[in-house]
Amino acid sequence: GQQLNQSPQSMFIQEGEDVSMNCTSSSIFNTWLWYKQDPGEGPVLLIALYKAGELTSNGRLTAQFGITRKDSFLNISASIPSDVGIYFCAGQWIYNQGGKLIFGQGTELSVKP
Amino acid sequence: KAGVTQTPRYLIKTRGQQVTLSCSPISGHRSVSWYQQTPGQGLQFLFEYFSETQRNKGNFPGRFSGRQFSNSRSEMNVSTLELGDSALYLCASSAGRLGLDEQYFGPGTRLTVT
Repeated sequence: GQQLNQSPQSMFIQEGEDVSMNCTSSSIFNTWLWYKQDPGEGPVLLIALYKAGELTSNGRLTAQFGITRKDSFLNISASIPSDVGIYFCAGQWIYNQGGKLIFGQGTELSVKP
Repeated sequence: KAGVTQTPRYLIKTRGQQVTLSCSPISGHRSVSWYQQTPGQGLQFLFEYFSETQRNKGNFPGRFSGRQFSNSRSEMNVSTLELGDSALYLCASSAGRLGLDEQYFGPGTRLTVT
């Protein structure tokens, strides 16, 4: 199936460090969404982006919608142990695609206290 | 507001059987999308329903089907189960406003086919 290219696949960092991950696509999107998933649970929406160039923050999280509409990044500042989990980007192209989300492969984040 | 609920949370079925999964969206949401999550393929879109109509469909065989009721609750059905259908099935609800669509996921149904 179609997927976005998300990198890195995994990260092992020290508590307090900043984290950056990104997604790229060969197609343009109208919407970029970032989710976090804990084991055995559904993804939780972190940030939604709707305009090219848009920069949005949610607490220690900051995400940007790339100007080409083909990429997005997520930064986490001053990581803490509860940031552990898998982070997914998702893109949506509304024309002829309805509500369909295309997901990246995920970035697994581990934080050492 | 209550979140998205899915039932059952866990299910074990035998190859060849069929299964029905249920999803109740957030109150006021009219769109329900279904996704399959596996370690090998990641999160893959199955279909989306909006106001009881299928608005979009992913690349899955016809054994996978769904429907939406007038109260926006949705069900998906998988017939003639195969081992490869073992997965976490997630539903997501949204207001369905294209271009301003935040999808919120339920906890999922873990289906194991033996």
